[in-house]
Order: sequence, then C-alpha cells, then structure tokens
Amino acid sequence: QVQLVQSGAEVKKPGASVKVSCKASGYTLTTYYMHWVRQAPGQGLEWMGIINPSGDATSYAQKFQGRVTMTRDSSTSTVYMDLKSLRSEDTAVYYCATRSAGGLGAFDIWGQGTMVTVSS
Amino acid sequence: EIVLTQSPGTLSLSPGERATLSCRASHSFSSSYLAWYQQKPGQAPRLLISGASSRATGIPDRFSGSGSGTDFTLTISRLEPEDFAVYYCQQYGASWTFGQGTKVEIK
Repeated sequence: QVQLVQSGAEVKKPGASVKVSCKASGYTLTTYYMHWVRQAPGQGLEWMGIINPSGDATSYAQKFQGRVTMTRDSSTSTVYMDLKSLRSEDTAVYYCATRSAGGLGAFDIWGQGTMVTVSS
Repeated sequence: EIVLTQSPGTLSLSPGERATLSCRASHSFSSSYLAWYQQKPGQAPRLLISGASSRATGIPDRFSGSGSGTDFTLTISRLEPEDFAVYYCQQYGASWTFGQGTKVEIK
C-alpha cells in the first residue's frame, strides 16, 4: 500500500523559512512526480508546484516563484518543500500528493498534511 | 492560467436527493484532464473522478462526472450521509488549478 507520510506541524515567525518533508513508503519514489498543494484555514486548495521523478526539474505556480524550492532525496524516498520569507498569509495545511500509476495526472495519493502557522 | 469557477458555493440538500455540481473553466481544455475531489473536515482530499468521467478505485457508482470544453458536472445520484462534504474540481491539462469548492450540506 503506497503511503505518503509528512513531517509534523511547524510554527514560524514572519520572515523565516519552513521545510516540510514527505516520505514515501510502499513504493520507489524515483518513479513518481510529486506535487505540493496548500489549504489556508477555511479556504480552498491551491496548487504550489511539482518536482519530477529524478529531481532535476521543477515547475512552480507563478504566485510562489522565487519563494519556494522543491527537492527530493532518492536515497530516503523523501521530497521536501522549502518556503521562505514567510508571512501570515502562508498559514495553511501543506499537502504532498501524487498519482499512484505514475506520470502526470490527477492525485490519488495524498499525505496527511502538515500545518504551518506563521505568527509573531 | 485556466481559472475554474464552481457553482453553487453551497448546496443544501437532504439524504436521498440528487446533487448537481458545476465547474466552469475560463478556457477550453481537453476533458481528459478534469478531476473531482471530495474533502471532509480534517482530512486530505480524496480523488473521485478523473478524465472528467472515470471513477477512481473504490468510488461508488452514485458519483458520476460529465462534460467537455469549458463546462463540467459532478452528479451524486442519491446523497448518502457520508457524502456531505466539500467538492473541488481540478484541471491538469495546462499546469494544475483547482476550483474554489462547493460545500454540500445537510438541509
């Protein structure tokens, strides 16, 4: 059974950075694209970006370009999402998600979510 | 960027009733790249439909999707108590974007 397990909740001050991890179990991460999606409290889903299976290509939503970096460590089957220059509007649950059949498409596997709170 | 607009914002219905949710795109794209998700409070979204009309594994047949071009519909034929949730459409034909969601609540 494929699972994505994310790191725990974070509390950060404005201007700081946060790095959220997403570890895969039950399959080899190197064959899957990984997306990051966030959801502010009481709000909808917002796609942030994608990293390819080999980790050498990324694509970010324009809103996050310059502030987000997605990386992956194949040796540990873990992907990371690093968001810098945090502001209060970045308070949200951050999800990693992928397609179990590989390739690009809809997301049928999701991590449990990581709550990031930005507060002074 | 393709903007997806869902309507209505909230749908108030009773168990056993039919629910019809709409998703309209700002630009036409292939229906092969339209998905629907269900999300309950405190949970990650769950994929219901991909390719506009193909149910994901384990999804009951009371859920159906249709549409093409810029107009797509998710229909729940007879609402069960566990179907009251928020539903999102998503396009993945030109990057990825989500609609703002439709809440299906108990009347």
